[in-house]
Amino acid sequence: GDQVKQSPSALSLQEGTNSALRCNFSIATTTVQWFLQNPRGSLMNLFYLVPGTKENGRLKSTFNSKESYSTLHIRDAQLEDSGTYFCAADPNAYKVIFGKGTHLHVLP
Amino acid sequence: SVLLYQKPNRDICQSGTSLKIQCVADSQVVSMFWYQQFQEQSLMLMATANEGSEATYESGFTKDKFPISRPNLTFSTLTVNNARPGDSSIYFCSSREGQGDGNTLYFGEGSRLIVV
Repeated sequence: GDQVKQSPSALSLQEGTNSALRCNFSIATTTVQWFLQNPRGSLMNLFYLVPGTKENGRLKSTFNSKESYSTLHIRDAQLEDSGTYFCAADPNAYKVIFGKGTHLHVLP
Repeated sequence: SVLLYQKPNRDICQSGTSLKIQCVADSQVVSMFWYQQFQEQSLMLMATANEGSEATYESGFTKDKFPISRPNLTFSTLTVNNARPGDSSIYFCSSREGQGDGNTLYFGEGSRLIVV
């Protein structure tokens, strides 16, 4: 089965609303990374997390290592937030394992 | 952070030909990684390339099909040999640096390959 399971697989949001994306891990990982792939295909790192919470502007992410999940909260969604959000487990120094992504579409 | 530059950004090639993708980092990095991404799918690690040694390939990827060179700490190339339509995808190089937040994974802009 999937070692990194993301939910939902797709999501449509009205501009200005809030949402949360989730990532469940069935592989041991000490850190988590979140990425946004924009509609042009470029990948941008959003967060690099050890257990705990980080916040950056309208985005906040939490990694709970005991319960093996991570969440990404998007506040006041904007059109430019549209794209695919990937979370990734980091079980060792070299191999990062990606989830299948959440396709987010922010509607005007 | 690490900036990675790839070229070509996009290419179309005939079945049976070979294509080379270059990746240049703006600083020296120990490891470079190559990922494959099919349309609307996740990223799959193909191989890890360290300077001066043979690349380590993941299951499903071979050096005969996807030879990788890593001649120095800022450069790597991925070649797609005997390209087939099933190889049509985006290829990303990536790298990470150091410890802590420096272990963040950074990506190049990707090279979109279309095999006809």
